[in-house]
Amino acid sequence: KAGVTQTPRYLIKTRGQQVTLSCSPISGHRSVSWYQQTPGQGLQFLFEYFSETQRNKGNFPGRFSGRQFSNSRSEMNVSTLELGDSALYLCASTIGLAGIHEQFFGPGTRLTVL
Amino acid sequence: AQRVTQPEKLLSVFKGAPVELKCNYSYSGSPELFWYVQYSRQRLQLLLRHISRESIKGFTADLNKGETSFHLKKPFAQEEDSAMYYCALRYSGAGSYQLTFGKGTKLSVIP
Repeated sequence: KAGVTQTPRYLIKTRGQQVTLSCSPISGHRSVSWYQQTPGQGLQFLFEYFSETQRNKGNFPGRFSGRQFSNSRSEMNVSTLELGDSALYLCASTIGLAGIHEQFFGPGTRLTVL
Repeated sequence: AQRVTQPEKLLSVFKGAPVELKCNYSYSGSPELFWYVQYSRQRLQLLLRHISRESIKGFTADLNKGETSFHLKKPFAQEEDSAMYYCALRYSGAGSYQLTFGKGTKLSVIP
């Protein structure tokens, strides 16, 4: 079974731009969660989508948004990029809700904001 | 507020020595705790969860509600155990569940 895939793997943007990251979950998984990973803050939960609906949201500003499509693929968008948004963005898929079932993580998208 | 604390950013031990990675949590409800591991150049993956009471790769972790701890232990460290370890807490709120992670401990096993 193919694992979670994320595209692109690396991205360089400048302040003020916006970016869209993509995550394809494991086939049959209905939940996708997004995390921001930085050396200083570790793993921080962004949001979770289940059956195209946002189920949970972390403490991030409204510049961070996401959506999920009917095939469970998910996208995350960050608008008006700031230097502090530089991070590894991980997505994880779960067969059911993330809090109940094991999460399988993707390799991440490394975003650098200049 | 729910919180997971891993007090050590870095832990270095010699091969064959015992390992203990500390994790403390703050949660007023009934906690469910997990350990995740990330080996170099690999994805983050679940190592073990407290409800399973299992030993994975020689690691065990016991939930101590009195001390609000979920320390990860292994009696004899191996070089291949070198990795980042994250403790995570599952909690319920607003009708759903969330996971919150500690900031991680980097384990370095010295040959």
